[in-house]
Amino acid sequence: AQSVAQPEDQVNVAEGNPLTVKCTYSVSGNPYLFWYVQYPNRGLQFLLKYITGDNLVKGSYGFEAEFNKSQTSFHLKKPSALVSDSALYFCAVRLSGGFKTIFGAGTRLFVKA
Amino acid sequence: EAQVTQNPRYLITVTGKKLTVTCSQNMNHEYMSWYRQDPGLGLRQIYYSMNVEVTDKGDVPEGYKVSRKEKRNFPLILESPSPNQTSLYFCASSLDGGRTDTQYFGPGTRLTVL
Repeated sequence: AQSVAQPEDQVNVAEGNPLTVKCTYSVSGNPYLFWYVQYPNRGLQFLLKYITGDNLVKGSYGFEAEFNKSQTSFHLKKPSALVSDSALYFCAVRLSGGFKTIFGAGTRLFVKA
Repeated sequence: EAQVTQNPRYLITVTGKKLTVTCSQNMNHEYMSWYRQDPGLGLRQIYYSMNVEVTDKGDVPEGYKVSRKEKRNFPLILESPSPNQTSLYFCASSLDGGRTDTQYFGPGTRLTVL
């Protein structure tokens, strides 16, 4: 079955430290991978996506993600966390052969001052 | 301002009382979709629409209906709501539904069915 996994329900990091939010996937064909962020009482906002090409993708608000085909992972990273980065992060994959999207369960990021 | 709007934002209702959650986008997007968000489950796709009068089921369509009579609108209909449909609902749109498309999400509708 095609799926997306975010193995951590919550990630805690101190402000100024690097952060990583993990995502692994299992899909047939080439993956089209996305990261979205949800702030309290808001809809999801697009951060970045991997389609093809460079394995390191840069996105909004200083975030980047590394695509690793052999490990089927697409981890979200930021070199220096801000308190304002505290939010719920979702990894998603677009399936081939249709219009469906599968989302991970989400990872809540807490950045402590 | 380009946006996806949903109404109402909050709704408390009782079992069996038909309701409609509206969704509208002003970006001339062809693709629209409905999701529900539940703790620990992330977002699950309910229905999606590739264009006017073209809709298809997502992963959790049971108990829901949709229609796409106009390009900008994609209402979600619960004919006979039940407590297990208590959830946070999001509407989303994208340009043409291609695999590289970015989805734009509405602010969400929190539904409670008693």
